[in-house]
Amino acid sequence: NAGVMQNPRHLVRRRGQEARLRCSPMKGHSHVYWYRQLPEEGLKFMVYLQKENIIDESGMPKERFSAEFPKEGPSILRIQQVVRGDSAAYFCASSPGRSQETQYFGPGTRLLVL
Amino acid sequence: AQSVTQLDSHVSVSEGTPVLLRCNYSSSYSPSLFWYVQHPNKGLQLLLKYTSAATLVKGINGFEAEFKKSETSFHLTKPSAHMSDAAEYFCVVSLYGGATNKLIFGTGTLLAVQP
Repeated sequence: NAGVMQNPRHLVRRRGQEARLRCSPMKGHSHVYWYRQLPEEGLKFMVYLQKENIIDESGMPKERFSAEFPKEGPSILRIQQVVRGDSAAYFCASSPGRSQETQYFGPGTRLLVL
Repeated sequence: AQSVTQLDSHVSVSEGTPVLLRCNYSSSYSPSLFWYVQHPNKGLQLLLKYTSAATLVKGINGFEAEFKKSETSFHLTKPSAHMSDAAEYFCVVSLYGGATNKLIFGTGTLLAVQP
Protein backbone atom coordinates (compact mmCIF):
# COMPACT_ATOMS: atom_id res chain seq x y z
CA ASN A 1 0.00 0.00 0.00
CA ALA A 2 1.76 3.12 -1.21
CA GLY A 3 1.97 6.00 1.21
CA VAL A 4 1.24 9.63 0.52
CA MET A 5 3.08 10.70 -2.59
CA GLN A 6 4.29 14.17 -3.38
CA ASN A 7 5.99 15.52 -6.44
CA PRO A 8 8.24 17.04 -7.25
CA ARG A 9 10.48 16.40 -4.25
CA HIS A 10 12.52 19.47 -5.04
CA LEU A 11 11.45 22.52 -7.00
CA VAL A 12 13.48 25.58 -7.93
CA ARG A 13 11.74 28.70 -9.18
CA ARG A 14 12.78 32.27 -9.90
CA ARG A 15 10.92 35.15 -8.34
CA GLY A 16 7.66 35.81 -10.16
CA GLN A 17 7.22 32.29 -11.51
CA GLU A 18 4.49 29.86 -10.53
CA ALA A 19 4.96 26.76 -8.41
CA ARG A 20 2.67 23.74 -8.57
CA LEU A 21 2.97 21.08 -5.90
CA ARG A 22 1.14 17.79 -6.21
CA CYS A 23 -0.08 15.36 -3.57
CA SER A 24 -1.63 11.93 -4.05
CA PRO A 25 -3.21 10.68 -0.82
CA MET A 26 -2.98 7.13 0.45
CA LYS A 27 -5.37 4.70 -1.17
CA GLY A 28 -8.79 4.99 0.43
CA HIS A 29 -8.12 8.42 1.93
CA SER A 30 -10.43 11.23 0.90
CA HIS A 31 -9.12 14.00 3.17
CA VAL A 32 -5.98 15.99 2.35
CA TYR A 33 -4.09 18.56 4.40
CA TRP A 34 -1.25 20.90 3.41
CA TYR A 35 1.36 22.18 5.88
CA ARG A 36 4.34 24.48 5.42
CA GLN A 37 7.64 24.24 7.26
CA LEU A 38 9.77 27.33 7.11
CA PRO A 39 13.51 26.93 7.84
CA GLU A 40 14.12 25.91 11.45
CA GLU A 41 10.44 26.09 12.37
CA GLY A 42 7.68 23.59 13.04
CA LEU A 43 4.96 22.80 10.56
CA LYS A 44 2.08 25.23 10.14
CA PHE A 45 -1.33 24.22 8.85
CA MET A 46 -2.37 25.78 5.56
CA VAL A 47 -5.50 24.11 4.19
CA TYR A 48 -7.77 21.10 4.58
CA LEU A 49 -9.62 19.66 1.59
CA GLN A 50 -11.97 16.89 0.68
CA LYS A 51 -12.73 15.86 -2.87
CA GLU A 52 -13.89 19.01 -4.72
CA ASN A 53 -14.29 20.97 -1.46
CA ILE A 54 -12.13 23.26 0.62
CA ILE A 55 -13.08 22.61 4.23
CA ASP A 56 -10.70 24.91 6.12
CA GLU A 57 -8.31 27.38 4.51
CA SER A 58 -7.63 29.43 7.62
CA GLY A 59 -3.86 28.94 7.29
CA MET A 60 -3.55 29.99 3.66
CA PRO A 61 -1.97 33.34 2.83
CA LYS A 62 -4.61 35.67 1.44
CA GLU A 63 -2.91 36.20 -1.89
CA ARG A 64 -1.05 34.10 -4.45
CA PHE A 65 -1.81 30.74 -2.79
CA SER A 66 -4.58 28.38 -3.83
CA ALA A 67 -5.38 24.70 -3.39
CA GLU A 68 -7.67 22.20 -5.00
CA PHE A 69 -8.52 18.53 -4.73
CA PRO A 70 -10.45 17.57 -7.86
CA LYS A 71 -12.71 14.59 -8.24
CA GLU A 72 -10.00 12.86 -10.26
CA GLY A 73 -6.29 13.27 -9.78
CA PRO A 74 -4.01 14.63 -7.09
CA SER A 75 -4.43 17.61 -4.83
CA ILE A 76 -2.58 20.69 -6.10
CA LEU A 77 -1.09 23.53 -4.09
CA ARG A 78 -0.43 26.45 -6.39
CA ILE A 79 1.72 29.44 -5.59
CA GLN A 80 1.62 32.29 -8.08
CA GLN A 81 4.36 34.91 -8.48
CA VAL A 82 6.64 33.27 -5.96
CA VAL A 83 8.85 35.35 -3.69
CA ARG A 84 11.94 34.36 -1.72
CA GLY A 85 9.89 34.08 1.46
CA ASP A 86 7.94 31.20 -0.09
CA SER A 87 11.06 29.02 0.13
CA ALA A 88 10.07 26.21 2.47
CA ALA A 89 9.18 22.54 2.69
CA TYR A 90 5.55 21.86 1.87
CA PHE A 91 4.07 18.70 3.32
CA CYS A 92 0.87 16.99 2.39
CA ALA A 93 -0.97 14.61 4.71
CA SER A 94 -4.04 12.45 4.25
CA SER A 95 -6.56 10.66 6.43
CA PRO A 96 -9.43 8.27 5.73
CA GLY A 97 -12.04 10.49 7.29
CA ARG A 98 -12.36 13.60 9.39
CA SER A 99 -12.84 12.45 12.98
CA GLN A 100 -9.65 12.39 14.98
CA GLU A 101 -7.86 9.90 12.83
CA THR A 102 -4.18 9.99 12.24
CA GLN A 103 -2.82 12.08 9.42
CA TYR A 104 -0.14 10.36 7.35
CA PHE A 105 2.49 12.58 5.82
CA GLY A 106 4.21 12.54 2.48
CA PRO A 107 7.94 13.18 2.00
CA GLY A 108 7.40 16.85 1.22
CA THR A 109 8.31 19.19 -1.60
CA ARG A 110 11.23 21.51 -0.93
CA LEU A 111 10.70 24.76 -2.79
CA LEU A 112 13.61 27.09 -3.35
CA VAL A 113 12.94 30.52 -4.81
CA LEU A 114 15.97 32.22 -6.33
CA ALA B 1 -7.21 27.26 22.29
CA GLN B 2 -5.10 24.23 21.48
CA SER B 3 -1.34 24.51 21.68
CA VAL B 4 1.76 22.55 22.56
CA THR B 5 5.04 23.71 24.04
CA GLN B 6 8.19 21.73 23.61
CA LEU B 7 10.41 22.72 26.47
CA ASP B 8 13.79 21.94 24.90
CA SER B 9 14.88 22.95 21.42
CA HIS B 10 17.98 20.69 21.60
CA VAL B 11 18.67 17.54 23.59
CA SER B 12 21.94 15.62 23.49
CA VAL B 13 22.36 12.13 24.96
CA SER B 14 24.94 9.39 24.77
CA GLU B 15 24.14 6.17 22.96
CA GLY B 16 22.61 3.67 25.37
CA THR B 17 21.33 6.30 27.84
CA PRO B 18 17.67 7.26 28.37
CA VAL B 19 15.90 9.84 26.26
CA LEU B 20 13.39 12.36 27.63
CA LEU B 21 11.75 14.92 25.32
CA ARG B 22 9.33 17.20 27.13
CA CYS B 23 6.00 18.50 25.90
CA ASN B 24 3.23 20.44 27.63
CA TYR B 25 -0.15 20.99 26.03
CA SER B 26 -3.00 23.39 26.38
CA SER B 27 -6.48 22.26 25.47
CA SER B 28 -10.02 23.23 26.30
CA TYR B 29 -11.14 19.61 26.09
CA SER B 30 -9.65 16.12 26.10
CA PRO B 31 -7.02 16.32 23.39
CA SER B 32 -5.62 13.91 20.85
CA LEU B 33 -1.84 14.11 21.10
CA PHE B 34 0.86 12.78 18.82
CA TRP B 35 4.61 12.55 18.52
CA TYR B 36 6.10 12.64 15.04
CA VAL B 37 9.75 12.22 14.07
CA GLN B 38 11.49 13.87 11.12
CA HIS B 39 14.85 12.63 9.93
CA PRO B 40 16.99 15.10 7.95
CA ASN B 41 15.39 16.03 4.63
CA LYS B 42 12.72 13.40 5.08
CA GLY B 43 8.98 13.42 5.74
CA LEU B 44 7.30 12.95 9.09
CA GLN B 45 6.74 9.57 10.63
CA LEU B 46 4.18 8.93 13.35
CA LEU B 47 5.81 7.58 16.51
CA LEU B 48 2.71 7.27 18.67
CA LYS B 49 -0.66 8.83 19.47
CA TYR B 50 -2.90 9.32 22.49
CA THR B 51 -6.67 9.42 22.05
CA SER B 52 -8.10 9.13 25.58
CA ALA B 53 -7.55 5.41 26.02
CA ALA B 54 -4.58 4.20 28.10
CA THR B 55 -2.50 7.05 29.48
CA LEU B 56 0.76 5.22 28.75
CA VAL B 57 1.13 4.96 25.01
CA LYS B 58 3.68 2.71 23.36
CA GLY B 59 5.00 3.62 19.95
CA ILE B 60 7.45 2.38 17.40
CA ASN B 61 11.20 1.93 17.88
CA GLY B 62 10.91 1.58 21.65
CA PHE B 63 9.44 5.02 22.30
CA GLU B 64 6.60 5.66 24.69
CA ALA B 65 4.78 8.65 26.13
CA GLU B 66 2.64 9.19 29.18
CA PHE B 67 -0.39 11.47 29.21
CA LYS B 68 -0.63 13.29 32.54
CA LYS B 69 -3.72 15.43 32.74
CA SER B 70 -2.81 16.94 36.11
CA GLU B 71 0.48 18.21 34.68
CA THR B 72 -0.86 18.84 31.14
CA SER B 73 2.19 16.94 29.89
CA PHE B 74 2.89 14.34 27.23
CA HIS B 75 6.61 13.63 27.51
CA LEU B 76 8.33 11.21 25.13
CA THR B 77 10.78 8.67 26.54
CA LYS B 78 12.99 5.82 25.44
CA PRO B 79 15.05 3.68 27.83
CA SER B 80 18.15 3.46 25.64
CA ALA B 81 19.08 5.79 22.80
CA HIS B 82 20.38 4.50 19.49
CA MET B 83 22.40 6.44 16.96
CA SER B 84 19.53 6.12 14.50
CA ASP B 85 17.28 8.07 16.89
CA ALA B 86 19.07 11.30 16.00
CA ALA B 87 16.35 13.41 14.39
CA GLU B 88 13.86 16.18 15.10
CA TYR B 89 10.82 15.32 17.17
CA PHE B 90 7.52 17.16 17.11
CA CYS B 91 4.81 17.09 19.74
CA VAL B 92 1.44 17.68 18.10
CA VAL B 93 -2.12 18.32 19.26
CA SER B 94 -5.16 17.83 17.08
CA LEU B 95 -7.64 20.66 16.72
CA TYR B 96 -10.85 18.95 15.80
CA GLY B 97 -14.25 20.53 15.86
CA GLY B 98 -16.76 22.26 13.67
CA ALA B 99 -15.53 21.99 10.12
CA THR B 100 -11.86 21.69 10.87
CA ASN B 101 -9.40 18.92 11.59
CA LYS B 102 -5.89 20.26 11.75
CA LEU B 103 -2.71 19.51 13.62
CA ILE B 104 -0.96 22.09 15.77
CA PHE B 105 2.78 21.46 15.91
CA GLY B 106 5.28 22.32 18.58
CA THR B 107 8.49 24.00 17.54
CA GLY B 108 10.42 20.73 17.63
CA THR B 109 13.22 19.20 19.66
CA LEU B 110 16.41 18.25 17.89
CA LEU B 111 17.84 15.07 19.42
CA ALA B 112 21.55 14.42 19.05
CA VAL B 113 22.97 11.03 20.02
CA GLN B 114 26.67 10.89 20.84
CA PRO B 115 28.64 7.66 20.38
